[in-house]
Amino acid sequence: KAGVTQTPRYLIKTRGQQVTLSCSPISGHRSVSWYQQTPGQGLQFLFEYFSETQRNKGNFPGRFSGRQFSNSRSEMNVSTLELGDSALYLCASSASSGSVAGANVLTFGAGSRLTVL
Amino acid sequence: AQTVTQSQPEMSVQEAETVTLSCTYDTSESDYYLFWYKQPPSRQMILVIRQEAYKQQNATENRFSVNFQKAAKSFSLKISDSQLGDAAMYFCAYRPDGATNKLIFGTGTLLAVQP
Repeated sequence: KAGVTQTPRYLIKTRGQQVTLSCSPISGHRSVSWYQQTPGQGLQFLFEYFSETQRNKGNFPGRFSGRQFSNSRSEMNVSTLELGDSALYLCASSASSGSVAGANVLTFGAGSRLTVL
Repeated sequence: AQTVTQSQPEMSVQEAETVTLSCTYDTSESDYYLFWYKQPPSRQMILVIRQEAYKQQNATENRFSVNFQKAAKSFSLKISDSQLGDAAMYFCAYRPDGATNKLIFGTGTLLAVQP
């Protein structure tokens, strides 16, 4: 069974540009979450999607946005990039979004490393 | 707001020995879930173990076990018979009950395993 696939793995952008990151969840998983990992702030929740609907959003500016498609694949977009957006962006998928025991284990992808110059 | 604290930025253990990583959390909720994730240099986060707050029994997965103290809001991870492959960053994470997969992570503990 294929895992969570994130593309691209590495990318370099300059300030002011925008970037789109892609995440393909495990087949059958309907929930996708995004996290930003930086040395200074650690792991921070960006947003979560379930069946094409945003269920939760973290405390990030409006420059950060995302969406989920009918096949559960998700994209996140960061516009007007700033130096502080340099980070590892992690995507995670889960079979459902609810309180059913065992169904809420997140499986993470390998991440997309964004460097903003 | 819920918070997760890992007070040990770095730990070291000899191969085959036992090590305990600490984690405390703050929440006013009674039902929630706790996790330990491992992130090796390859960056892929891997679930080590999870604990449901309503279960009094401590979770165990092979060489990994937890000491869950709900009243003290403590959730430590014990690694027995440490192996070189256990070297990684370990994150403690909290997830509230309900329709969400939002995890709140601690700052992590970097574990080194000495041969």
